[in-house]
Amino acid sequence: EPEVTQTPSHQVTQMGQEVILRCVPISNHLYFYWYRQILGQKVEFLVSFYNNEISEKSEIFDDQFSVERPDGSNFTLKIRSTKLEDSAMYFCASSGQGTGNEQFFGPGTRLTVL
Amino acid sequence: AQSVTQLGSHVSVSEGALVLLRCNYSSSVPPYLFWYVQYPNQGLQLLLKYTSAATLVKGINGFEAEFKKSETSFHLTKPSAHMSDAAEYFCAVSSSYSGGYQKVTFGTGTKLQVIP
Repeated sequence: EPEVTQTPSHQVTQMGQEVILRCVPISNHLYFYWYRQILGQKVEFLVSFYNNEISEKSEIFDDQFSVERPDGSNFTLKIRSTKLEDSAMYFCASSGQGTGNEQFFGPGTRLTVL
Repeated sequence: AQSVTQLGSHVSVSEGALVLLRCNYSSSVPPYLFWYVQYPNQGLQLLLKYTSAATLVKGINGFEAEFKKSETSFHLTKPSAHMSDAAEYFCAVSSSYSGGYQKVTFGTGTKLQVIP
């Protein structure tokens, strides 16, 4: 069964460093998403991406964040200068075309900012 | 705007007992509703979804949920709890936008504890 994959599973970085979180969505999906879950809190929407551009972004997704689909398979989330409060689990998701299609989530990348 | 409210951040049931996890939603358009399960240190797994077809939706692992428009509810049930059901459960609502993408809004989650 096709699945969304994410690398790395755990990333530790120093405050102020740049990190890139990588995702490989399901191959025939067209819509891509990033979500964040701070420890003990709910999953929050960050951004949706379609046709090589952002469809919607939340207030969390400020200028420190960017997304990119550098090739036909990868979908990345970059945080330019990490802050302590960026420590969280980041989930990538993808969905196919059509209404009501659920988003398939990856296993997540746990980002720890020291 | 859309939102979900999950009543009870922690629920404990005995093994073999009924599981009932409550979810109420708010949506300005006909919603798509989901229940996801998250096991410790794992990602989100879809349990079931409602997409305007049958109001009683059956999912994996013996779970089901009933969409009640009049009550704006989508409660998750399972007749008999198993130890392996211990996890965190998230109710979620999604709306499709004109651009075709969907934005999923999650509830705060309910941690289910199953007591042997």
